[in-house]
This record gives sequence, C-alpha cells and structure tokens, in this order.
Amino acid sequence: DVQMTQSPSTLSASVGDRVTITCRASQSVSIWLAWYQQKPGKAPRLLIYQASTLESGVPSRFSGSGSGADFTLTISSLQPDDFATYFCQQYDTYSTFGQGTKVEVK
Amino acid sequence: EVQLVESGGGLVKPGGSLRLSCAASGFTFSTYTMNWVRQAPGKGLEWVSSINSRGHYIYYADSMKGRFTISRDDTEHSLYLQMSSLRSDDTAVYYCASEDPMLRGVLKSWGQGTLVTVSS
Repeated sequence: DVQMTQSPSTLSASVGDRVTITCRASQSVSIWLAWYQQKPGKAPRLLIYQASTLESGVPSRFSGSGSGADFTLTISSLQPDDFATYFCQQYDTYSTFGQGTKVEVK
Repeated sequence: EVQLVESGGGLVKPGGSLRLSCAASGFTFSTYTMNWVRQAPGKGLEWVSSINSRGHYIYYADSMKGRFTISRDDTEHSLYLQMSSLRSDDTAVYYCASEDPMLRGVLKSWGQGTLVTVSS
C-alpha cells in the first residue's frame, strides 16, 4: 500500500501569510496527486489534481507542485475562508489520503 | 449541477449489516466511476471502494475486503455499499464521490455524507 504523510499536522497562520503544506508518498506516485480542502461538517472539496492543475473555480492563490514522492500545496496569501483542513490523495495505485493538515488562526 | 445524496446510515450493533445508498443527478451517471470514502469522527479520510462505469472493475481497501460490497444501478442512477460484519472502527461518515471520466482517480464531486455508528 502507498502511504501518504503530510506535514505539519497543524499550522497556525494569519491572514495574508504564505502557507506551505507538504505531502510525501512512500513510493513514487508520478503526478497522480490531488489536494482537497475540508471545513467542519462539510464534504471535501477538490482544489488541485495531477499535482499542479487547479480545479475550475478554485482561487489562483492556491498552487501545487511536485512529482514522484514529494509534493507541496501553497496558499500565496491566506484568506479568512482558507482556514480549514487540507488532505492530499494519491491515485496512482488505488487511492490513499494523507492524515490532513489543519490550518488554524494564529 | 452534480448532486450526490447519501442515505441509509444509522446505528447498528457490532456484527450487524447496513446498506448505504447514493442517489446521483445532474450528470450521466452511467459513464462515471464512483467511490465510497469514509471519515471516522475527528479523523482523516479513508478510501473504501470504487466501481467503474460498467461495474466490471471493483476495488476495495484491504480492511473492507470480504465485508463490504459496492454496486451500482445505472437505471436508478444509484450507488450502493452493502456493509456486513460491522465493527466499532467502521463508525464514520460515509461519502460517495464521483470521478471525472477523463481524470481517473480524481474525486471531483462529493455527497454530504451519511453517518454510520456501530455500537452496542
């Protein structure tokens, strides 16, 4: 099974901050990596797929990079609506999610 | 507009069974691979199972193999998850999610989830 490890588990930040979340796979997943945002009591929302492709309607302050086993989600300037939990997902071999990164108010 | 509406969750005793349903609308259901993903209270997301557009390719997470069965009825635009031999660690919100036909594995649309509680 492909294991996905996100860091950090929790991130404290302020509006306007640049935020970076990393995701590491236990083996190469090529570019088959997606990022989702989830708010309490809500379903996840797709943000990025194929490691760096922004889903339609997602603000351009979100970006993704990486390939192989190391990936990054960056929020260039954190907005109030961005406080949430973020999950990476590999879909190279079946599907596995990272454990999540909660972005909270500093 | 894509809509996925799960139902069938509830309280069930350990060892019991439950059937979840997901009603789909707003897209050509028969052409989409569908998935179940679950989330235990306060925990992360866990992929459960997927079924391709014709039901020929079905996959399960290891911990669900032999206990869960995914199926679909394209005439009813519905996805199902039959769960048996339920354990306390199966307690979770169960989401159905659709893949874009051109983006295998990417979960583009999600339902609101249905809560399954396994407890005596």
